[in-house]
Amino acid sequence: EAQVTQNPRYLITVTGKKLTVTCSQNMNHEYMSWYRQDPGLGLRQIYYSMNVEVTDKGDVPEGYKVSRKEKRNFPLILESPSPNQTSLYFCASSRVHSDGNTIYFGEGSWLTVV
Amino acid sequence: GENVEQHPSTLSVQEGDSAVIKCTYSDSASNYFPWYKQELGKGPQLIIDIRSNVGEKKDQRIAVTLNKTAKHFSLHITETQPEDSAVYFCAASMVGGADGLTFGKGTHLIIQP
Repeated sequence: EAQVTQNPRYLITVTGKKLTVTCSQNMNHEYMSWYRQDPGLGLRQIYYSMNVEVTDKGDVPEGYKVSRKEKRNFPLILESPSPNQTSLYFCASSRVHSDGNTIYFGEGSWLTVV
Repeated sequence: GENVEQHPSTLSVQEGDSAVIKCTYSDSASNYFPWYKQELGKGPQLIIDIRSNVGEKKDQRIAVTLNKTAKHFSLHITETQPEDSAVYFCAASMVGGADGLTFGKGTHLIIQP
């Protein structure tokens, strides 16, 4: 079954404590991306990756890091989380970016920073 | 960059009636326009998409129309059912471009029994 798997699904953490949200896809997709979803703001892209070792900033990259060492994994790293990073995060992947191919989303990770 | 405006933010319709959600985009280079449905507690799922070389596409009760001149596209759902209740997002991108999809802010569709 085609899947994008995120972990953890729910996390409450404290300001400044580094955390990583993992993302893995089993479809051999080249393109992977992270979005955050906030009320009234829709989905905003944080970072994306066109392939292994290739990453680029999206619309709201501040405070986040990513890496793409393997094709299937695309972790999102918050080095020093702050309360304004409290949000619902989605990882997504597709075979080729937006080339008429379906973008698959994970189930989401609810992150609360206190 | 691309900017996508989506209206309305909330839409309530009676079961069996039609629902229309409208989006406008700013970048004339965009030529791929998908629509996603997000049910409570789940990630968005693609329901229909359209490329700029066609003006309309249908899939059972769902249709999307595109007006490239006016830079707007719409989602039409006919004979709405309770399971259509969800948040719907439109998006735009340039096929093959390096940037990701730009999403609208979403429409919460409520189907009244």
